[in-house]
Amino acid sequence: DTEVTQTPKHLVMGMTNKKSLKCEQHMGHRAMYWYKQKAKKPPELMFVYSYEKLSINESVPSRFSPECPNSSLLNLHLHALQPEDSALYLCASSRGIRETQYFGPGTRLLVL
Amino acid sequence: AQSVSQHNHHVILSEAASLELGCNYSYGGTVNLFWYVQYPGQHLQLLLKYFSGDPLVKGIKGFEAEFIKSKFSFNLRKPSVQWSDTAEYFCAVNAWSGGSNYKLTFGKGTLLTVNP
Repeated sequence: DTEVTQTPKHLVMGMTNKKSLKCEQHMGHRAMYWYKQKAKKPPELMFVYSYEKLSINESVPSRFSPECPNSSLLNLHLHALQPEDSALYLCASSRGIRETQYFGPGTRLLVL
Repeated sequence: AQSVSQHNHHVILSEAASLELGCNYSYGGTVNLFWYVQYPGQHLQLLLKYFSGDPLVKGIKGFEAEFIKSKFSFNLRKPSVQWSDTAEYFCAVNAWSGGSNYKLTFGKGTLLTVNP
């Protein structure tokens, strides 16, 4: 089983809203990731968690705040986003940071 | 920092034609290499991967790729494509990025359109 689940599938929010994206895996993976994918572009890495600790932040604006409550869950808290933040947000997980990453279906975010 | 180049932005083929998609990377150390596919409206799926050993790797749905270390290449091939292979294909490289960190870097992707 290589399933990564993400909720919600779609999200529309205003620039003053606060919302959260959720990601879950039950494969016992110890590394989890957030990526941002704009239309017709490759995924761009945002954050990496390894053993529930943030190990990489790719200079992401503070309006994106990741959280890893336990080894199976990864959240992305959103606040005061801009319209240019509209994109597909992908979660991935892997056994370790050098291993194969498995991707979830993504949350399609629209910021109005 | 590593980079990944995919030579073809959009490839259009007829069914039963052979496919080769080019991928080159720039990184001097040890890398793990991947091809992912994104079918219309679906999430990224792993096609195949290379970590070590036989440089010719086979993946799902009849795809294969060859790692040529001297050329820093990892080209994807399929002898006979089907309409259902229409998708975006991403080459990706996982390499050391400093400290104890590794980073997966994607190429810009190749859109494959297979006409019936």
